[in-house]
Amino acid sequence: DSGVTQTPKHLITATGQRVTLRCSPRSGDLSVYWYQQSLDQGLQFLIQYYNGEERAKGNILERFSAQQFPDLHSELNLSSLELGDSALYFCASSRQGAVGEGYTFGSGTRLTVV
Amino acid sequence: EDQVTQSPEALRLQEGESSSLNCSYTVSGLRGLFWYRQDPGKGPEFLFTLYSAGEEKEKERLKATLTKKESFLHITAPKPEDSATYLCAVQFDQTGANNLFFGTGTRLTVIP
Repeated sequence: DSGVTQTPKHLITATGQRVTLRCSPRSGDLSVYWYQQSLDQGLQFLIQYYNGEERAKGNILERFSAQQFPDLHSELNLSSLELGDSALYFCASSRQGAVGEGYTFGSGTRLTVV
Repeated sequence: EDQVTQSPEALRLQEGESSSLNCSYTVSGLRGLFWYRQDPGKGPEFLFTLYSAGEEKEKERLKATLTKKESFLHITAPKPEDSATYLCAVQFDQTGANNLFFGTGTRLTVIP
């Protein structure tokens, strides 16, 4: 157990639907990162939050949004889902985001869009 | 354009057969280079951070090295349990951000 908790582990939904993925960071970690991993593209950075504020954005689609709550857990919202959104979605956390901190990853949510 | 490239994409080794994985990068202002191990269906597991050219770090059968343009992950006398995908990632100077950019990984299979 890495200390980063992601729920649900698996999610199957239809095209056009909306889902919410949840992440609880490791105790004491203020930064949360979301990544998408598909078979052909590897780990793609989506977005980072630090202590409730958005810190950086990567290749995140406009249909996707995220937030980090006062208790530091984070949610990734995916809407108008398409078949191509099927992937593993990972959350990671780190302390203050210092260099060399090395993220701690959760075990991921596998999203299948049918 | 900033880029991280890993080679080979896949590698099959006999148990005990040593080899190296490569990670080349073209980023400005490297702050750290990271190696992770990922087992199928699991999240990446942190292995090493390297900060500057010439630095080396070791953990069991793994040794990571860094030059100004690339990093190597040397695997000495691998065992079947070393089978996994090995990911390289870089962190570089970005205003207000410290996210990692990952390569696509090397899938290592160690045959008994």
